[in-house]
Amino acid sequence: GENVEQHPSTLSVQEGDSAVIKCTYSDSASNYFPWYKQELGKGPQLIIDIRSNVGEKKDQRIAVTLNKTAKHFSLHITETQPEDSAVYFCAALENTGTASKLTFGTGTRLQVTL
Amino acid sequence: EAQVTQNPRYLITVTGKKLTVTCSQNMNHEYMSWYRQDPGLGLRQIYYSMNVEVTDKGDVPEGYKVSRKEKRNFPLILESPSPNQTSLYFCASSLSTPTPSSYNSPLHFGNGTRLTVT
Repeated sequence: GENVEQHPSTLSVQEGDSAVIKCTYSDSASNYFPWYKQELGKGPQLIIDIRSNVGEKKDQRIAVTLNKTAKHFSLHITETQPEDSAVYFCAALENTGTASKLTFGTGTRLQVTL
Repeated sequence: EAQVTQNPRYLITVTGKKLTVTCSQNMNHEYMSWYRQDPGLGLRQIYYSMNVEVTDKGDVPEGYKVSRKEKRNFPLILESPSPNQTSLYFCASSLSTPTPSSYNSPLHFGNGTRLTVT
């Protein structure tokens, strides 16, 4: 089955700086990679995703890059703001035959300091 | 408002006392799933359901049961809870089983149920 590793587990940046979170996956057949943001006391919420036929995708201050050869993908947040403080999860969608399955990384706690 | 509603938000119980965590969605979603979140382990899937009366095991199904008698409800049942089931639980739903073609219908998560088993 799929195995998704996520680094770092915690990340502290100053407001206005950039933050990068990296994930690697094991199954080369995985073809869809979403990122979720979990704010305190709430469930995860999708913020951006990328499919395997695309190398990069941007949405305002956030972007995701995918390197299929190396089997890794990254979340980039520019001009960080205090409201970006949250736990971020990457995930990989693996086709298992009967159904597709999302495997999540272990999460990154991002703290944006003033 | 479109949402996934879990109840209760917090639950403290004792070993062996059966409990049910309810999950309901109002978006007419076919796919529903339960996850548990533990420090350092991320989100792990317990059970999922692709439609009414169709359920299947996820990665960590031991000690849990589910049912899907109606499209909107997907309760999680712990017949005999143990301390290792102390965790934060999330229910999620999407329009259909997650596939790259359904990227416009992402997983919607509830706000979680924090369970403590003593």
